[in-house]
Amino acid sequence: DAGITQSPRHKVTETGTPVTLRCHQTENHRYMYWYRQDPGHGLRLIHYSYGVKDTDKGEVSDGYSVSRSKTEDFLLTLESATSSQTSVYFCAISEKQYNYGYTFGSGTRLTVV
Amino acid sequence: AQSVTQPDIHITVSEGASLELRCNYSYGATPYLFWYVQSPGQGLQLLLKYFSGDTLVQGIKGFEAEFKRSQSSFNLRKPSVHWSDAAEYFCAVGAQGAQKLVFGQGTRLTINP
Repeated sequence: DAGITQSPRHKVTETGTPVTLRCHQTENHRYMYWYRQDPGHGLRLIHYSYGVKDTDKGEVSDGYSVSRSKTEDFLLTLESATSSQTSVYFCAISEKQYNYGYTFGSGTRLTVV
Repeated sequence: AQSVTQPDIHITVSEGASLELRCNYSYGATPYLFWYVQSPGQGLQLLLKYFSGDTLVQGIKGFEAEFKRSQSSFNLRKPSVHWSDAAEYFCAVGAQGAQKLVFGQGTRLTINP
């Protein structure tokens, strides 16, 4: 879907374990975002990046960290997974801030047991 | 900070009937407004966007939306829905100078045959 891939697509992990989700793009877009989707909450921003090594927090960043060492990859890490982090995670990319609309990946369904 | 409200969590319409999905935003200046659609198990796809100019914007799949500043609304419409329109719809708002979109909670659309 427009050169954006999320991996894995599904993951089940145990409470307390670290988890890393990957977002990979082939569009050379500057902006990348991680959202989580939960029933009744829509999409909430976790972290975003506006360039290599340039990241900032979103509204629900507690318990999450990110890294972007290359333009094409944006990693989301749950340092110690909790059941409240069970969710569907979406990565999005944008060429110029948000004006042109985001392109979304297909999502990662994460279950923490 | 900007915010978005989609008052209807779930709407059911008959195939061939007209559709209007409501979106209200809160932002002090002229916002950038978007509608996205999410089919089951998929990522979000951009339907249409408004930045400035003509307040009636056309999108893909026969959808349109109208920006009404006086009502702080950006409602999505379609004159005749098809069974394939069953999905979840998200309204989003971006603020000038901000680097991220804020999404509403979503409206799930069911189509009766």
